[in-house]
Amino acid sequence: IVLTQSPGTLSLSPGERATLSCRASQSVNSDYLVWYQQKPGQAPRLLIYGAFTRATGIPDRFSGSGSGTDFTLTISRLEPEDFAVYYCQQYQYGISGYIFGQGTKLEIK
Amino acid sequence: QVQVVQSGAEVKKPGASVRVSCKPSAYTFSNYYIHWVRQAPGQRLEWMGIVRPNGGNTEYAQKFQGRVTMTRDTSTSTVHMELSGLRSEDTAVYFCAREEGETYYFDLWGQGTLVTVSS
Repeated sequence: IVLTQSPGTLSLSPGERATLSCRASQSVNSDYLVWYQQKPGQAPRLLIYGAFTRATGIPDRFSGSGSGTDFTLTISRLEPEDFAVYYCQQYQYGISGYIFGQGTKLEIK
Repeated sequence: QVQVVQSGAEVKKPGASVRVSCKPSAYTFSNYYIHWVRQAPGQRLEWMGIVRPNGGNTEYAQKFQGRVTMTRDTSTSTVHMELSGLRSEDTAVYFCAREEGETYYFDLWGQGTLVTVSS
């Protein structure tokens, strides 16, 4: 399975809505679809698991949706601290293990 | 503060081995699996494998089988990852990350360890 994220870079202003896509090369179990946020020089931070469940402490402006091959991370109103790189991740039983998308960079316009 | 603390940066020559350590803090070591994920410059995150503190059993990504060894030391509550046969393409930041049982996501990450492979 390959996870492809789009767009590669998204340029928006604070207060705007961000929609990030993660597409799987074949249908996946949404229970295992995860989103992380990573800022420069930092470790990834868990945002969403099970496709739509927010992790502890994650603001409700972050939401996840989707099923099958298409998943979306939405940030309803961008705050300055939301500009970062976002990765989706899928668990695939067997030798593939845990697979990550290539990331979407969310930058300030 | 709940965290996982990793060992410091390493510089190695091609063909050498590197060992990176990961020590959980302020949580019960045996309750969480530890994964290793690496990130080469400008590249996506890449899962390397998992070690389960109870029993110490491991699973490795096919790409790293034969080159990686993950162990746990219950006496010091520390997990180690050793990668052998280093080449320049192994230059990356190596993260450990914890998983609570079979949840299939990583809820806490170490700060990362930069491993540089250079002659």
